[in-house]
Amino acid sequence: SYVLTQPPSVSVAPGKTARITCGGNNIGSKSVHWYQQKPGQAPVLVIYYDSDRPSGIPERFSGSNSGNTATLTISRVEAGDEADYYCQVWDSSSDLYVVFGGGTKLTVL
Amino acid sequence: EVQLVESGGGLVQPGGSLRLSCAASGFTFSSYWMSWVRQAPGKGLEWVANIKQDGSEKYYVDSVKGRFTISRDNAKNSLYLQMNSLRAEDTAVYYCAILTGYPGYMDVWGKGTTVTVSS
Repeated sequence: SYVLTQPPSVSVAPGKTARITCGGNNIGSKSVHWYQQKPGQAPVLVIYYDSDRPSGIPERFSGSNSGNTATLTISRVEAGDEADYYCQVWDSSSDLYVVFGGGTKLTVL
Repeated sequence: EVQLVESGGGLVQPGGSLRLSCAASGFTFSSYWMSWVRQAPGKGLEWVANIKQDGSEKYYVDSVKGRFTISRDNAKNSLYLQMNSLRAEDTAVYYCAILTGYPGYMDVWGKGTTVTVSS
């Protein structure tokens, strides 16, 4: 089965740029989606198909995907961005399965 | 407004059964694949199951195959998850979500319902 690897935690000062990585074998050949989850709340889609933003998501959120790493970049980080972030792809090795990364806790210092 | 509301969670003994429901509104339910995703306490997201628009295709994570059944009633705009032979490791918040595109992304989630499997 396909494995996605995320760092458990990332810390960043307000106003700086946070980069959250999602590693997987040749992940650049897959479409990657990103979700934000704040404590006690349901996940919210922040990036889909590697780099597209849903309506209502600030332009500060962007994504890229190449080689073995996909990256969620949050520019000009705000206190309200503190949350867990999950990457997601589809594993087509057998049937089509949804795979989530283990999640990254973003801490705003 | 697009809305998903889960219900049916609760405390159940190991080996027991539970049926979760997800009431959909604000969109054409019959036009979308739907998913169940769960999150154990303090853990990450885990996909559980997907179902096609007409219910003709269903997919499950290996750990629930043979125990859980996903279904839908398009006339009632409702999604279901029948969970049998429950284990302690099934304890989690269960979310339903709209799948946009197949394969695609989950762009709307419900608030979740909590299932606790314990004696």
